[in-house]
This record gives sequence, structure tokens and C-alpha cells, in this order.
Amino acid sequence: DAKTTQPTSMDCAEGRAANLPCNHSTISGNEYVYWYRQIHSQGPQYIIHGLKNNETNEMASLIITEDRKSSTLILPHATLRDTAVYYCIVRATQVGYIFGTGTRLKVLA
Amino acid sequence: DTGVSQDPRHKITKRGQNVTFRCDPISEHNRLYWYRQTLGQGPEFLTYFQNEAQLEKSRLLSDRFSAERPKGSFSTLEIQRTEQGDSAMYLCASSLARGIFYNEQFFGPGTRLTVL
Repeated sequence: DAKTTQPTSMDCAEGRAANLPCNHSTISGNEYVYWYRQIHSQGPQYIIHGLKNNETNEMASLIITEDRKSSTLILPHATLRDTAVYYCIVRATQVGYIFGTGTRLKVLA
Repeated sequence: DTGVSQDPRHKITKRGQNVTFRCDPISEHNRLYWYRQTLGQGPEFLTYFQNEAQLEKSRLLSDRFSAERPKGSFSTLEIQRTEQGDSAMYLCASSLARGIFYNEQFFGPGTRLTVL
């Protein structure tokens, strides 16, 4: 499985866009990029996934570079409720995810 | 609520006791996963089921751990002779198979185990 690298922590002002980067330089052609977040003491929550193209849903946008070696999760208008640990996961098969330590995002009022 | 549910939410036990956790997946999901999460770390994969078949077990799953999914619906995770190092959050997730490469997993709220 591809290894992912994320910054340990980030701050973002409320109402501004939060851009969370992830490096996955060893990703292979059939591996999807998944993003999850975990709010304190809760189970991880699915946000978005993508393979090659940029993706957008009601929660976030996912930008994947053309070489697929990195991606950025964008929360367009961060709120205090978006404070959480964000995990970038690269996965090819149907077995369990390999989580790293994620990025701790703190949204500031 | 149609999400993944886990029971109990919290469990305190003494070292050496056995504990059992239950997970009820989203009803139409054929895959079920167990993870363990310790403080400050991301979840770690333990095992997964496709229907009632247990198809993969992590090296983290020692012989004191056993998981079952007898009818392909709910699952149980049992830990025998608990140790203090077993203290963690135990997470269950489920997914609907959509081919080999796409697998969105939905997580339950977890069971927090404290071994005294």
C-alpha cells in the first residue's frame, strides 16, 4: 500500500477555506485516495474519495495532481464543527484501510 | 438510525477477564471490518469479513482475539484474558462491495475498553 504523509497540525480561521495536503508519492495506478475525518471520541467519518479526477461533494473538494503523487482536501468554508483529525488513505483492495496519524485541523473563531 | 451501531459504548474490566463486543453493520452491507485505535494514533486494521467468511486477519490480532459473523449480519469481537495493553477504542466499519478497487467504509461510534 502507498504510504501517505500529512502535516501533523493546521489552523484555519472560521469561514475561510481549509486546504489539507497529502503526499502519496508511491501510489499505483489502481489505488484510490480516500479522506476521512474523526471528531474527538467518535468513529471516522467518510468525506470524499477519488482516483484521477478532481471530485466535489457537499462536504468538500478533492484535488489530485496529474501525476497522482499528492492531493489536497478543501473545506470551502470551515466552521468550528470541522475541527477534527483528517486522514488521507490510499487503498487498492477491499481489505482494511491503513491510517496514518492524520492532520489535526483546528478551526479558530 | 441506519448507520453502524456498536455495543457497549464503554467497557471497564479487570485484567484477565474476557470481554465481547457487538457490531451491527448497515443492513445491506456485505463487508464488515474491525479496527483498534489507541490514544493519539490512527485506527489499526484487525480483521474483516465478507458475508460470514473471515478473509483476513492482521498480525495485531493475537490468539486471544476472536471475531465471528455467524449469519453474515452482526459481528462479535471477543478478547480473552484481557491485558492492560488491550485498552483502546474498538471500531467497527461496514461497506458494500462494488468491485475490487472501490470500497467506502462507514464506521460505528466505537467501543472504548479500559482494562484495569
